[in-house]
Amino acid sequence: DAGVIQSPRHEVTEMGQEVTLRCKPISGHDYLFWYRQTMMRGLELLIYFNNNVPIDDSGMPEDRFSAKMPNASFSTLKIQPSEPRDSAVYFCASRSTIGQGEKYEQYFGPGTRLTVT
Amino acid sequence: RKEVEQDPGPFNVPEGATVAFNCTYSNSASQSFFWYRQDCRKEPKLLMSVYSSGNEDGRFTAQLNRASQYISLLIRDSKLSDSATYLCVVNGAGSGNTGKLIFGQGTTLQVKP
Repeated sequence: DAGVIQSPRHEVTEMGQEVTLRCKPISGHDYLFWYRQTMMRGLELLIYFNNNVPIDDSGMPEDRFSAKMPNASFSTLKIQPSEPRDSAVYFCASRSTIGQGEKYEQYFGPGTRLTVT
Repeated sequence: RKEVEQDPGPFNVPEGATVAFNCTYSNSASQSFFWYRQDCRKEPKLLMSVYSSGNEDGRFTAQLNRASQYISLLIRDSKLSDSATYLCVVNGAGSGNTGKLIFGQGTTLQVKP
């Protein structure tokens, strides 16, 4: 069974360019989370969705960041324009409110390592 | 004050040692607690949940002290493969059943031969 899939795994871009990160959650999971991880700030929740609807975007740093979930199997996180301080690892995670497993357990994708020069 | 605080370490211990990590959280309304493990350049993965009565999984023991808002993880008989960063995780304030999780900065463990 495939886990959470993220693409690309690595992204190097120049300041000012648009960056789009992609995520496919585990099939049947109804929650999807976007996180950012840096050495300085650790793992920060940016936004999460329930049944494709954004529930809490209070962690999104500024208007340059936007996220969408057009259907249950796909989500994007977009940064436009990108800045060097956006360099980080971006993780997508999903979870199910029903079924097996620990309640609240989130399954993480492998992450996208973003470098903005 | 951060919502979840951990000593970042690193903790350097020899194989076979017993090591303990602590974590404090600020929101007394938190109901769910976890330890996640993150290997270098990998994604976090659930290690174990933490229950009020304390729980054990092999060499790992987790405990919760609600009065002090304190969580601990004990690793006995450390193995080289235990080298990783251990993240203390608490469900977010007012999150109810949404499962919004707040992650600590992590404690790094390095087990030496």
